[in-house]
Formats: sequence, structure tokens, C-alpha cells
Amino acid sequence: GAVVSQHPSRVICKSGTSVKIECRSLDFQATTMFWYRQFPKQSLMLMATSNEGSKATYEQGVEKDKFLINHASLTLSTLTVTSAHPEDSSFYICSARGGDRNQPQHFGDGTRLSIL
Amino acid sequence: LAKTTQPISMDSYEGQEVNITCSHNNIATNDYITWYQQFPSQGPRFIIQGYKTKVTNEVASLFIPADRKSSTLSLPRVSLSDTAVYYCLVGNGGFKTIFGAGTRLFVKA
Repeated sequence: GAVVSQHPSRVICKSGTSVKIECRSLDFQATTMFWYRQFPKQSLMLMATSNEGSKATYEQGVEKDKFLINHASLTLSTLTVTSAHPEDSSFYICSARGGDRNQPQHFGDGTRLSIL
Repeated sequence: LAKTTQPISMDSYEGQEVNITCSHNNIATNDYITWYQQFPSQGPRFIIQGYKTKVTNEVASLFIPADRKSSTLSLPRVSLSDTAVYYCLVGNGGFKTIFGAGTRLFVKA
């Protein structure tokens, strides 16, 4: 149980393109979803937290107009990297948690974004 | 937010038991302790979660002393496929989760 699907797994696109990443909880309702960014050999860095039906809460230093997050349903959250540039190239990972706040997060398999 | 401290790396051999300790001196009363495993280019995978004493599942055990200021993840009889980064997280659902640096475990044949 507790499966989180993230799509696409890899994206290569030109600078200036906007890229959308989807995160779906397949077998549970995700009250809260999280988006992380991870650079090579580094730990995960939390970008934002989103609750279904509410605006996302962004971490300090993360541009909300650059990284658009939508959590419109209890099973789907999307992250859109707008006008992506090479410095946005990274590994993006989503996670989801159900209604019980003491339950652990379950993670997707990540999206490798490469901006040329 | 409770900060965690783990060894940066550990080496082991196949078949050995591996214990990874995490320090979390300012853990709050309602914080849980959760461990994740991450392979390269994959999302973290949940291993085990506990609040106090000992928790065991099919892949690991988690030992938490009475003061809860540390915890130890125990992996019995590791194999080469257990080579990964292991993260200790402390918190509760009301707060964001902050990942520490993790422990790189390297299992040798």
C-alpha cells in the first residue's frame, strides 16, 4: 500500500520551456503533499508544502511564481517549473501523506529535469 | 524543528548487522522518529517509524531509549543491495519535514 506515482521520470527540454510534473497518490487520499529538490550528492531540500484545496506554503528562497504548485484533489498535485533555465536542472521529488498527521510520508520516484 | 545528526558514512560486509545511530537532542514530546532509505535517482523509501522503545518490522528494527534523544536503526544481515543513503527524520505531521545529510552505507562483498 501507500504508493505515490510521479510522472514524468525524466525531462530534457530547452531553456525557456515550462515543465509540469505530476504526483499522484494511487491508493490513499493525500491530504498533504510535499515537493523536494535534490542536487547530486546532497540531501533533499523541501521546496513547498501543499494541502488539498489550499495554496501551497513555500520555503524561504523558493520563488512561488517560478515553481507553481497545484493540489486540486486528494490524489493529485502538480509542480510546474515556469520558464525553466539550466540552473533549474535538478532531481525533483514529491511525497504525500494521508489524513493522520503522524503517518509517514510516501515518496514518488522523482523526476530528473535537465534544461539545455 | 528537531535537528538530527547522523554519521556521514558507514562501511559493512554482507551478512553483518548494521546499526546506524541518529542524535536528536531537541526532540519534542509529540515528535515521531522515521527512517528512510534512498537509492541513487530514486525517491526515499519508508523503512520504519517509532515513538519510543522498540519497533520491529520485516526489514529493520528501531531502538529508541527512554529519553528519546537518539535512535538506532538496525539492519540485520545486510546484503549488497542495502547500499544506500539512510535518513533519520524527526517531527510530527503538524510541521514540515527537514532532511538531514543522511548516512551513506556501503556494503562490501
